Amino acid sequence: ETGVTQTPRHLVMGMTNKKSLKCEQHLGHNAMYWYKQSAKKPLELMFVYNFKEQTENNSVPSRFSPECPNSSHLFLHLHTLQPEDSALYLCASSRRGDTEAFFGQGTRLTVV
Amino acid sequence: GQSLEQPSEVTAVEGAIVQINCTYQTSGFYGLSWYQQHDGGAPTFLSYNALDGLEETGRFSSFLSRSDSYGYLLLQELQMKDSASYFCAVRQNSNSGYALNFGKGTSLLVTP
Repeated sequence: ETGVTQTPRHLVMGMTNKKSLKCEQHLGHNAMYWYKQSAKKPLELMFVYNFKEQTENNSVPSRFSPECPNSSHLFLHLHTLQPEDSALYLCASSRRGDTEAFFGQGTRLTVV
Repeated sequence: GQSLEQPSEVTAVEGAIVQINCTYQTSGFYGLSWYQQHDGGAPTFLSYNALDGLEETGRFSSFLSRSDSYGYLLLQELQMKDSASYFCAVRQNSNSGYALNFGKGTSLLVTP
């Protein structure tokens, strides 16, 4: 248990569906991140939030839409995804200035 | 941009010592981190090197040479539970907290 909780753990969705991934941390961290982990590829940084403000968008397609209502919660809204979007989506958090990021267990997403 | 190279797979015997190398290219350097990830689990922090030299934490040590853009993770007295993927990572050059760019990971298999 890292202190970062992601739900759901597994998700299967059709290409026309809309779903949301949730991430929650109560570690007092002020930065939160979304990463994508596909087979045979490195973890890819998608979005970064600092103090609820988005400070990084790594050229992610608009079918992925992040939301950070407060420093403890982070969402990733999904719509009209493609099969190649199937991957493990990991949330992480850190405190500014620290050298360690804490990851959640991830959501295993399958797009059919 | 940034890129990190590490071997894709390493196999070692229980009780042995194994070294996982990482070379990196980055426009700005803020330290080299190592993370461990077991199958189905969250990446967890192992170590961080900002300066040249060896950092030791129990059975694990990490080394950095900034002039060579090179580091390694050394695992001693290998145990079966050390079978996992190991990722090196560099901090992204941004003001975005601790956003990390990861290598593709090294899959370590420890055999009896």
